[in-house]
Amino acid sequence: EAQVTQNPRYLITVTGKKLTVTCSQNMNHEYMSWYRQDPGLGLRQIYYSMNVEVTDKGDVPEGYKVSRKEKRNFPLILESPSPNQTSLYFCASTQGGVAGVNEQFFGPGTRLTVL
Amino acid sequence: SQQGEEDPQALSIQEGENATMNCSYKTSINNLQWYRQNSGRGLVHLILIRSNEREKHSGRLRVTLDTSKKSSSLLITASRAADTASYFCATDGGLDNFNKFYFGSGTKLNVKP
Repeated sequence: EAQVTQNPRYLITVTGKKLTVTCSQNMNHEYMSWYRQDPGLGLRQIYYSMNVEVTDKGDVPEGYKVSRKEKRNFPLILESPSPNQTSLYFCASTQGGVAGVNEQFFGPGTRLTVL
Repeated sequence: SQQGEEDPQALSIQEGENATMNCSYKTSINNLQWYRQNSGRGLVHLILIRSNEREKHSGRLRVTLDTSKKSSSLLITASRAADTASYFCATDGGLDNFNKFYFGSGTKLNVKP
């Protein structure tokens, strides 16, 4: 089944404790992206990757890191989480290396709480 | 920011009625997409309309795009309780930011049985 998976689905952590949210897709998609969703603000793009070893900042990259060493995986790293990073996070992938040309497939989301 | 505005923020209708949601964006785009989200779950793609198209249909969905007004509308005809969800428009960043992706703030639709 074609899908985007994220782990963990739920995470409660404390300020400053490094964490990684994994994202994997099995559709051989070039473009992958991370979003955060906060009430009243819709989804905001954190980082995106057009292909292996090619990443760039979205609208709200501060406090986050990403890597794209393999085509299928695109982990989101919070080196020193803070309470304002409490949010619902989504990973998505799309065919091709350009945003907006094709539909995005979304993972189920990761609900992160930073105390 | 390229982020779009959606109108209305919330909409409550009876089953069988039509639902119309509007989206406005700020800069030029290549394509506009609509997505649905059921209560905190992942988004599901509904329809994509290209900047050179004015109208597109898919089942009970009708999307229009007016690039001169930088706006789009999503019409759901003969709504069902299962259409209850949040709906988002999404655009690329146009020529300046074509690899970025921007979502609107969403319209929360409630279809009463």
